[in-house]
Amino acid sequence: AQTVTQSQPEMSVQEAETVTLSCTYDTSESDYYLFWYKQPPSRQMILVIRQEAYKQQNATENRFSVNFQKAAKSFSLKISDSQLGDAAMYFCAYRSGNNNDMRFGAGTRLTVKP
Amino acid sequence: DGGITQSPKYLFRKEGQNVTLSCEQNLNHDAMYWYRQDPGQGLRLIYYSQIVNDFQKGDIAEGYSVSREKKESFPLTVTSAQKNPTAFYLCASSKLGQGGRSMEAFFGQGTRLTVV
Repeated sequence: AQTVTQSQPEMSVQEAETVTLSCTYDTSESDYYLFWYKQPPSRQMILVIRQEAYKQQNATENRFSVNFQKAAKSFSLKISDSQLGDAAMYFCAYRSGNNNDMRFGAGTRLTVKP
Repeated sequence: DGGITQSPKYLFRKEGQNVTLSCEQNLNHDAMYWYRQDPGQGLRLIYYSQIVNDFQKGDIAEGYSVSREKKESFPLTVTSAQKNPTAFYLCASSKLGQGGRSMEAFFGQGTRLTVV
């Protein structure tokens, strides 16, 4: 099965600054999808952004953008102009395009300092 | 409103008893998933299903069972064989696109199971 690795258990950022969360994955597939999810204290999982592996252009959603490096199997999330409401656990996820298996990393806890 | 409903939100059971967690969706999604989350940890896949009457084991299927008799429902049974069942359980569903490709997963609000 594919594996997803988030090497930063915790990150901290000053309000209005930029932070980058790292994610790497291991796969032999060519067809797959990558996601970043946010989990606030309510524990509700919220989709932040998604990336199709066949697309070379990096996805962007308002203040959130990714740096997708397919050859390096890297999928980092950049949060610009950080806000207090961005504080949460962030999970990177991989979905197989072949069998729809979906795996998550261990998560990064983001703290935003006022 | 469309969405995924997990019930109950909190569940207490005695050790050695089987317990079933409910997951219902009205999003007309084909794929459904069960994950386990332990404190401060990520989501680990228990089972998933792409279609009615079919499901596949994830990384930690031992001690769990599922059924998919209806498209809308994917209940998870935590059996007495599960050694450490106390955890937060999340159910998710997703659409399947062309050629079986799926979109992002939508999640329920979770069930906190405590075994005493």
